[in-house]
Order: sequence, then structure tokens, then C-alpha cells
Amino acid sequence: SAVISQKPSRDICQRGTSLTIQCQVDSQVTMMFWYRQQPGQSLTLIATANQGSEATYESGFVIDKFPISRPNLTFSTLTVSNMSPEDSSIYLCSVVTTGTEAFFGQGTRLTVV
Amino acid sequence: GDSVTQMEGPVTLSEEAFLTINCTYTATGYPSLFWYVQYPGEGLQLLLKATKADDKGSNKGFEATYRKETTSFHLEKGSVQVSDSAVYFCALRGSGAGSYQLTFGKGTKLSVIP
Repeated sequence: SAVISQKPSRDICQRGTSLTIQCQVDSQVTMMFWYRQQPGQSLTLIATANQGSEATYESGFVIDKFPISRPNLTFSTLTVSNMSPEDSSIYLCSVVTTGTEAFFGQGTRLTVV
Repeated sequence: GDSVTQMEGPVTLSEEAFLTINCTYTATGYPSLFWYVQYPGEGLQLLLKATKADDKGSNKGFEATYRKETTSFHLEKGSVQVSDSAVYFCALRGSGAGSYQLTFGKGTKLSVIP
């Protein structure tokens, strides 16, 4: 199993600013992902965080808007840049361990005003 | 591409009622199937999973059977409790090489009233 600590748990931000979300895992994991959950919606994959190289983004998400870092096998950050109210969502970090199971952080509830 | 279609909610049941949440999927090959639960204000927790056809996943009184012939993975519980009130997500992971990310259904909100 894996225990994921995600910070901050929630924040209220002004439009035009940026927020960096941290994801810390208690063990080394190969696969780390960032998802977005818009109000009342399902989860949508933003990108795969690759250790030591650029993240792999899904269609509709770009690096300039959602830069991701992954300096090692236990830590990643997601930045939401130049925020607008449409970015108000829950952002979740997820990891896959050696099995088929995915574990999720508690999420960061972001409100942009 | 892969997709998951999940029963629309919200669903409201009385305590001890029988629960079914339908989930069907579209994917090539033999995906792994999951049910996740999200309690109010919390992240997602794995409820149960099945990795091959005819497997039955079970946990906390919930069950789901991987039906390849109907591409379904319906969630059932014989007697729900107030504490089961949450949002339930059906998800799949593709069977292709390097497929680790999940595709989710839209979620079904369950409210159980005393």
C-alpha cells in the first residue's frame, strides 16, 4: 500500500495568481498521476508525472498552465498557473504501486475568486 | 478509447435497502475494473476490484462481478447503512502495455436515510 500526503488540503486564491500543490508518498513509486475533479463531475487525468523528465499531459492540458515537477520517486508538485474561476476544482495526486491498485491523496480543494 | 458509463444519481435509499449501481465499460482487451468510494470531504478510497473475467470483488458487504460478456461491473450491497452515504465511482485500467492511469465513470451519489 501507499500513504499519500497532499498539501494544501484547501485554498482560496485570487484570479491571476498561481498555486503549487505538493504530493508526498511514503514509499518509492514508479507511477504518479495528477487528476482534476470539477464540481459534481468525475475525475479527469491531467498528466503523468515522470521522474527526471517532463510530464506527459493528456489532451486539453498543457504544461504552461499545469507545470509539474517530479524530482524523485516519492514527491511531485502540480502548479495551477494564472488561475481563473474555471480552475476551481479538487486536484488529486495518485500513485500506482507494484500491484494494480491506485492510491489517492486526500485532494486539494481549490476555489478561485 | 476506453470509457466507463455509470448509473446516474443521486440515489436515495432507506437503511437496510438493497443497492445496485450499474456500471458498463468499453475497452479493448481485458481491463482491470474498480469501484472507488469518496466520503464527504475526503479523497478516493478503493472499495473493491476485479482483474479478470468472472472475478468477484468484495469488501465491507459490497460486491461486484466482472462480466466480460455484458462488459459490466455492477456494484451491489444487500443492506445499506447510513454510513454508506458517499459518491461511488466505477473505473477501469486498460490492459495495454504501460496502461497505469484510470478511466472513471461520472460517479453516483448515494444517500442512505434512517
